[in-house]
Amino acid sequence: EVQLMESGGTLVQPGRSLRLSCAASGVTFDEYAMHWVRQAPGKGLEWVAGISWSSGGIGYAESVKGRFTISRDNAKNSLYLQMNSLRVEDTAVYYCVKDFLQDYAGGIFDSWGQGTLVAVSS
Amino acid sequence: DIRMTQSPSSLSASVGDRVTITCRASQTVSSYLNWYQQKPGKAPRLLIYTASSLQGGVPSRFSGSGSGTDFSLTISSLQPEDFAIYYCQQSYRTPFTFGPGTKVEIK
Repeated sequence: EVQLMESGGTLVQPGRSLRLSCAASGVTFDEYAMHWVRQAPGKGLEWVAGISWSSGGIGYAESVKGRFTISRDNAKNSLYLQMNSLRVEDTAVYYCVKDFLQDYAGGIFDSWGQGTLVAVSS
Repeated sequence: DIRMTQSPSSLSASVGDRVTITCRASQTVSSYLNWYQQKPGKAPRLLIYTASSLQGGVPSRFSGSGSGTDFSLTISSLQPEDFAIYYCQQSYRTPFTFGPGTKVEIK
């Protein structure tokens, strides 16, 4: 069974930085693309960023481009999201998500972590 | 970006009812359309991918159809555990976008 465990979410002030981590188990991590998807409180789902199995392909939503950086360490079965210049509107539960395919452009989200809450407020 | 809409935004139904939710894309997404179920306080769960393929472990009462811009998710006989929010999502091109969700409530 695939298990994805996010960590790093917390309350942070606007303009500050935060790094989220996701530890994967029960899956051959380096065979699949991975993503971050977020959900603001009481709202719908928003794709944030995706990365291919080899880190050769990466994509971002316009709302985070230039501020967030997705990365992975296949040796550690881990996914990361470096979030800089945080804004109030970045407040959300951030989910670590496994893709069905190797390329992040696959976009089929077949396994989800339980999420980690990032709250941006002064 | 491809905009996704869903109808209805919410519905009330009884156990055993047949329920259909529709999803429309602002431009063609071919068959790159996926459906997710989300229960309160939980992460979403993939139900259907590429419009009509049932994800492993998902009960066969769930089915999907459509192509191009118009899609539907059908639950053939609603069960108590099916009360949740359902989202469609296009995987045709990035940025991947979701519909606003359809809340299925108990009548």
